[in-house]
Amino acid sequence: SQELEQSPQSLIVQEGKNLTINCTSSKTLYGLYWYKQKYGEGLIFLMMLQKGGEEKSHEKITAKLDEKKQQSSLHITASQPSHAGIYLCGAATLNAGGTSYGKLTFGQGTILTVHP
Amino acid sequence: GAGVSQSPSNKVTEKGKDVELRCDPISGHTALYWYRQSLGQGLEFLIYFQGNSAPDKSGLPSDRFSAERTGGSVSTLTIQRTQQEDSAVYLCASSLGANPYGYTFGSGTRLTVV
Repeated sequence: SQELEQSPQSLIVQEGKNLTINCTSSKTLYGLYWYKQKYGEGLIFLMMLQKGGEEKSHEKITAKLDEKKQQSSLHITASQPSHAGIYLCGAATLNAGGTSYGKLTFGQGTILTVHP
Repeated sequence: GAGVSQSPSNKVTEKGKDVELRCDPISGHTALYWYRQSLGQGLEFLIYFQGNSAPDKSGLPSDRFSAERTGGSVSTLTIQRTQQEDSAVYLCASSLGANPYGYTFGSGTRLTVV
């Protein structure tokens, strides 16, 4: 089965600093999803990456999927307290026919704290 | 509804009791998923419903866990004879079709077994 390893497990930064969270897969990634979770809330979808080398940005958050499609990074520029939370990467599962279906495997999450 | 609704938001139960957790997905979403999030753990897949197909129950940790989805809409996750290790946040998500791109998560039910 596919496993996702996130690093670091936790991160504390000063407001305004840049940071990167990594997600490494034990198998080729066919769809990589980044979510953010705040305490007591559900997960909020951030971005989805599918193609090797793909890069997407939303506001100050950029996510990349490496060419070999086994690692993704999430980069936050000029962090703000509103960025604090748990960031999770999720990988799509392929069925026997090689088609992605709804089940996702998640990493253990990275807890981000941003000090004002 | 506008989002995925889960109830109760918090549940404290005594060890050995049965509990039912409810998920009301977004109207029209054919796929519904249950995940469990334990302290220090990522999200653990439990069960997946897609339309009228047989559910994927491969993630249920024991036969004390069961789930049903009535009329292709509301789902209930039942845990029988709860144990302390069942304490976790139980998250439900729904999507239009099987593509997880459209996942919408509920806020979860925090279950504490004492």
